[in-house]
Amino acid sequence: AQKVTQAQTEISVVEKEDVTLDCVYETRDTTYYLFWYKQPPSGELVFLIRRNSFDEQNEISGRYSWNFQKSTSSFNFTITASQVVDSAVYFCALRGVNTGGFKTIFGAGTRLFVKA
Amino acid sequence: KAGVTQTPRYLIKTRGQQVTLSCSPISGHRSVSWYQQTPGQGLQFLFEYFSETQRNKGNFPGRFSGRQFSNSRSEMNVSTLELGDSALYLCASSSGGSAGGTYNEQFFGPGTRLTVL
Repeated sequence: AQKVTQAQTEISVVEKEDVTLDCVYETRDTTYYLFWYKQPPSGELVFLIRRNSFDEQNEISGRYSWNFQKSTSSFNFTITASQVVDSAVYFCALRGVNTGGFKTIFGAGTRLFVKA
Repeated sequence: KAGVTQTPRYLIKTRGQQVTLSCSPISGHRSVSWYQQTPGQGLQFLFEYFSETQRNKGNFPGRFSGRQFSNSRSEMNVSTLELGDSALYLCASSSGGSAGGTYNEQFFGPGTRLTVL
């Protein structure tokens, strides 16, 4: 079975603080894809990043960075110097190629509050 | 490029009625997925269609059904509505290829908020 766990339900930070959102996944597939999505108050999910199971290279994109560690089945997301506009719910998602079929499994989400 | 559109945006129904929701994917995208989002259960996968064929289905009762048309537009239907069906229904599209586009990110529509009274 596939599963995505986001243990942090809510995180509250003050603007300019760095914040890391945790994601741990479970899958029996050897080939799979991991995603992060953001859902602002408007409700529409916005794609942030995709990683495949063969690419453990971590990436920095502006204030965002991702840390994918296959050994610990984790795919964490960090926002540096957070801003009020970062306030949203962030979802980690998993899509397995073999046993996973064609469905995307989402974590429960982490609600991030960034206070001015 | 226009994004994913969903109609209607808001819907109020009563128990026992049925409802049809519509989703138009991004032009050129052949894969459409549907999700139900509730505060208690989070985002749950309903089903995915690719080239008019259902490729996978989540763990929902048979009252939930869907279809995809030749132009990739998709509809989902819920019959005999129950109070617990109140939710935000999200549609997502992605481009697909011979491999099914498993790796492709999904682009989500704004959702249809269904309230069942």
